[in-house]
Amino acid sequence: EIVLTQSPATLSLSPGERATLSCRASQSVSSYLAWYQQKPGQAPRLLIYDASNRATGIPARFSGSGSGTDFTLTISSLEPEDFAVYYCQQRTFGQGTKLEIK
Amino acid sequence: EVQLVESGGGLVQPGGSLRLSCAASGFTFSSYAMHWVRQAPGKGLEYVSAISSNGGSTYYANSVKGRFTISRDNSKNTLYLQMGSLRAEDMAVYYCARDLNSYAFDIWGQGTMVTVSS
Repeated sequence: EIVLTQSPATLSLSPGERATLSCRASQSVSSYLAWYQQKPGQAPRLLIYDASNRATGIPARFSGSGSGTDFTLTISSLEPEDFAVYYCQQRTFGQGTKLEIK
Repeated sequence: EVQLVESGGGLVQPGGSLRLSCAASGFTFSSYAMHWVRQAPGKGLEYVSAISSNGGSTYYANSVKGRFTISRDNSKNTLYLQMGSLRAEDMAVYYCARDLNSYAFDIWGQGTMVTVSS
């Protein structure tokens, strides 16, 4: 079973700053990696699929990159609504990165 | 509107059984693989089970293998999760989700809570 490790566990930033979240797979997953955003009390929302494709309705400030074992989710300029928990997934999920307001 | 609505959650004793349902609407249900994902209180997301679009192929996480059974009825646009031999560690919100493409889930239900307690 593939293990996904996300870093950092918590990221403290201010609105307007750039956020970089990492996800490392225990073995190659090619480009089959997705990213989700989850806010308290809500279901996860798909942001990125196939490592770099934005899902329908996702703002352009969200971008994904990587292949093989190392992946990155970048939020170019944080909006107040972006503070949430982010998960990467390739069947199994990473443990999540909490993006909090500094 | 494309929608998934779970039901069937509730309180069950350890060792008991429960069947969850997920009603789909607004899309051609029979064209999509479907999945169950759970989230224990205050914890992260845990992948549970998958079923192919025609129901011919299934997958289970090791944590539920042999205890849970995923199925679907394409004539009723409904996904199921039969859960047995329930344990305290199975207590979670259970979500059903639609597979957009190779384990990318684009549509999620609102979740149904399963509580395992005596």
